[in-house]
Amino acid sequence: DARVTQTPRHKVTEMGQEVTMRCQPILGHNTVFWYRQTMMQGLELLAYFRNRAPLDDSGMPKDRFSAEMPDATLATLKIQPSEPRDSAVYFCASGLSSGRVSEQFFGPGTRLTVL
Amino acid sequence: EDQVTQSPEALRLQEGESSSLNCSYTVSGLRGLFWYRQDPGKGPEFLFTLYSAGEEKEKERLKATLTKKESFLHITAPKPEDSATYLCAVRSSNSGYALNFGKGTSLLVTP
Repeated sequence: DARVTQTPRHKVTEMGQEVTMRCQPILGHNTVFWYRQTMMQGLELLAYFRNRAPLDDSGMPKDRFSAEMPDATLATLKIQPSEPRDSAVYFCASGLSSGRVSEQFFGPGTRLTVL
Repeated sequence: EDQVTQSPEALRLQEGESSSLNCSYTVSGLRGLFWYRQDPGKGPEFLFTLYSAGEEKEKERLKATLTKKESFLHITAPKPEDSATYLCAVRSSNSGYALNFGKGTSLLVTP
C-alpha cells in the first residue's frame, strides 16, 4: 500500500530552535508539495518540486524556511529559527504530475508546536 | 488571483438526510477541481477530480458535479462514518501543478 510518510509526527520545540521535517514521497511520483494547515488560514502551499527541481516557493517565508529534495526518496522542510507563529500542521503530498493529471496524495502530517 | 470559497462552513445532518456541499471558484483557466476528505488528525484523502463543466463523478454515497462557476458534493443518505471535513481545491493555468484549497466544510452526521 503506497503512502507518503512524514517524520516526525509531532514536534514541540522552543522559539529560536531549528526544526527539520522529512517526507518520503510515493515511489515513482515526480512532484512533491509542502503545505501548512492552520485553523485560520486553512491549507496553504509553501513550496513544491517537480523532478526534484524547485518550481514554486512563493508561499514560504524565505528568511527562515528552506525546502530541499536531496534525492527522489526524500524531501525536507527546515525552519531556522522557529517562531511561535510557525505552530501548525505541515503536510507533504506527492503526485505523478503530467499534462492534465495532477492528483496529490497527502502524508499524515507533522504537528509542530513552537513555545 | 484564484479564489475558492466553500459553504457552508459546518453542516449537521441526521443519518439518511441527503444534502449538498458547495464550492464556488474564480480562476483563470481551470485545469482541474479536486475534492478531498479530511478526518481529524489525518492528512486529506483524495476523492475526485473534475475537469470540465457538466462532468460528474460518483463514489459510494458521494457524487461530485461541476459547472463553470461552482462544484457540488452531493451526499446521499449519509452515515455517521461520512463525518469529516470536505475540502475543495482548484488547479489553474496560473498555478502550475499546485492546488489552491478552500477552507472546507465540516460535516457531522448523527445517528
